[in-house]
Amino acid sequence: AQSVTQLDSQVPVFEEAPVELRCNYSSSVSVYLFWYVQYPNQGLQLLLKYLSGSTLVESINGFEAEFNKSQTSFHLRKPSVHISDTAEYFCAVTLGSGGYQKVTFGTGTKLQVIP
Amino acid sequence: SAVISQKPSRDICQRGTSLTIQCQVDSQVTMMFWYRQQPGQSLTLIATANQGSEATYESGFVIDKFPISRPNLTFSTLTVSNMSPEDSSIYLCSVVWRDGYTFGSGTRLTVV
Repeated sequence: AQSVTQLDSQVPVFEEAPVELRCNYSSSVSVYLFWYVQYPNQGLQLLLKYLSGSTLVESINGFEAEFNKSQTSFHLRKPSVHISDTAEYFCAVTLGSGGYQKVTFGTGTKLQVIP
Repeated sequence: SAVISQKPSRDICQRGTSLTIQCQVDSQVTMMFWYRQQPGQSLTLIATANQGSEATYESGFVIDKFPISRPNLTFSTLTVSNMSPEDSSIYLCSVVWRDGYTFGSGTRLTVV
């Protein structure tokens, strides 16, 4: 079965500074990878996903993540954060074949942007 | 993406009572999923609900506690039965939509 590890439960960062939220997964087969964002008192929104093709995927609000198969990682990065990026970020993984498979979520990383 | 409407958005309930959460999707979807997010924790899948068949429950979740209905391809309900304070969580429904998983805004349940 697949698993996801988000090593950092909280990441404080100053506004306009770069940030990296780490995500490592464990699976013996191909996977699909996702980052979701949860703003305070709201549901989950899909931020970006890796299914196949280019290992670098981008979101519309400046985040990007790179699928690294050799390191089994899918770290989320943003070169310059804004106050509005304060939220909790969840990395998720599912098996990449055989139709729908169970989605496994990481424990989440709370990004706190400091003015 | 598919739009999910989830009701109620929040509720405060007495222990021993039941609450039914509704999930309406604006498109027909084969599979719907129900998750629980306990305070300060990640999401845990409760069950998968396919239209026309019994829901499939994950380890640790049982039908008597979390009965699910799936009467058509756009609607599902999750009931939290005989509630206790330990059931205080956010409950979310989700669907597979175009190689992604779309979530409702969640139901924040507090049991007192």
